[in-house]
Formats: sequence, C-alpha cells, structure tokens
Amino acid sequence: DAGVIQSPRHEVTEMGQEVTLRCKPISGHNSLFWYRQTMMRGLELLIYFNNNVPIDDSGMPEDRFSAKMPNASFSTLKIQPSEPRDSAVYFCASSRRGSGTEAFFGQGTRLTVV
Amino acid sequence: AQSVTQLDSHVSVSEGTPVLLRCNYSSSYSPSLFWYVQHPNKGLQLLLKYTSAATLVKGINGFEAEFKKSETSFHLTKPSAHMSDAAEYFCVVSLTGGGNKLTFGTGTQLKVEL
Repeated sequence: DAGVIQSPRHEVTEMGQEVTLRCKPISGHNSLFWYRQTMMRGLELLIYFNNNVPIDDSGMPEDRFSAKMPNASFSTLKIQPSEPRDSAVYFCASSRRGSGTEAFFGQGTRLTVV
Repeated sequence: AQSVTQLDSHVSVSEGTPVLLRCNYSSSYSPSLFWYVQHPNKGLQLLLKYTSAATLVKGINGFEAEFKKSETSFHLTKPSAHMSDAAEYFCVVSLTGGGNKLTFGTGTQLKVEL
C-alpha cells in the first residue's frame, strides 16, 4: 500500500490567493483527519470525517478554511483567501473506524504564504 | 473530555543511556493511548499503542511504554538510546468507544548526544 498521499508537498503562494491541499487516504480506511502543525501551536486537529461525513470541524480556524470529502478516496482542504499566518505544515491522516485504531499520516504539505 | 500532558518539552540523553519520555493523560472513559515519532521534515510514524490489553506495550525500534491507570501515565522508555532516535515524540489519546478522534500532546524533542 502506498500509504496516505498528499499533494503538493510544498506550496508557496501570495497572500489573498486560494490554496487547495489534496489527500488520498489508504484504501479501506473510513476515517480521515486534517491536522495543522506550527511551532507556536504544535499539532492541531482541524477537521475529521467518518465515511465521508464531517464529524467535528471545531478546529477549523475560520470561514476561510473549508474541507470536503466527495468520496472515500479523496479529500481537499481549501484556504480562501490565504494569509501569512496560515503558513504551516498540513497533515492528512486516515484510519479504520473503531476504537483504538491508529491513524496513518501522510508526509504533509508545507504551505508558505508570502 | 480527553487530553494528554507531556511533562518535558526537551530531553537530552547520551548515546547508550536510557530514555524516559513522560506522558500523563486525562480521560473520562477507558482511553486508547499511542506514541508517535516525527523525524525532521517527515510525517508521523506510530511507535506503539495501548488498547486495554497488556499494560506493558512493546513498539518498534526497542521502545516500550507502560500504562498505569493509578498514575494516569503512559511513559515511553528505551533501555539504550541511539543517535537515530533523535526526533520529536508525541503522546496521543483517543477514547475507547468514542470513535477515533486523536488528541495530541505538545511533543517532546529528544536529543541524543555522543
């Protein structure tokens, strides 16, 4: 299995532009998570889905952020408009649904907003 | 509510000496607990997990952790540190029966010196 695949690995964009991050979870996994990692805040859960349905989006910082999961094999995290404070590494993770199941992480997307 | 507290933000050891990374958890229900490792500019990798079976859990690369309910602790240990162990380590909790939302600690940076 290829693991969780994120794209792009690196993204540099100008303030005000729209940014879309992509994630392909591991086949057969039905939970998907988006995390953000910064030096100041550490790892923050932004949103997670079970069976393509958003369960908890309380970590989404503001309306500029949105996430979708149109099917079991694809998810996007969109920032519109982007701001310099959105610069971070964004991780996608997936797991099988059920208690005590571990999440498998992608390599992350390093976003820089200038 | 569930949370984890990693008691040390930085730990420094000499190569060949024991490693102890401390973690305390707070959970209203039976928790599942995990340790993840993150090497520089990499994603997160599962080291080990506890899910209400044996209280002493063995993981990869010689790491192990002991679940102590009376102390609400899940400390990570290794008998002998190796240079390749230098990384950031995260203690993670999820609720058994509460789905699989993972809550991360703030991380402990392990430095291994010659």
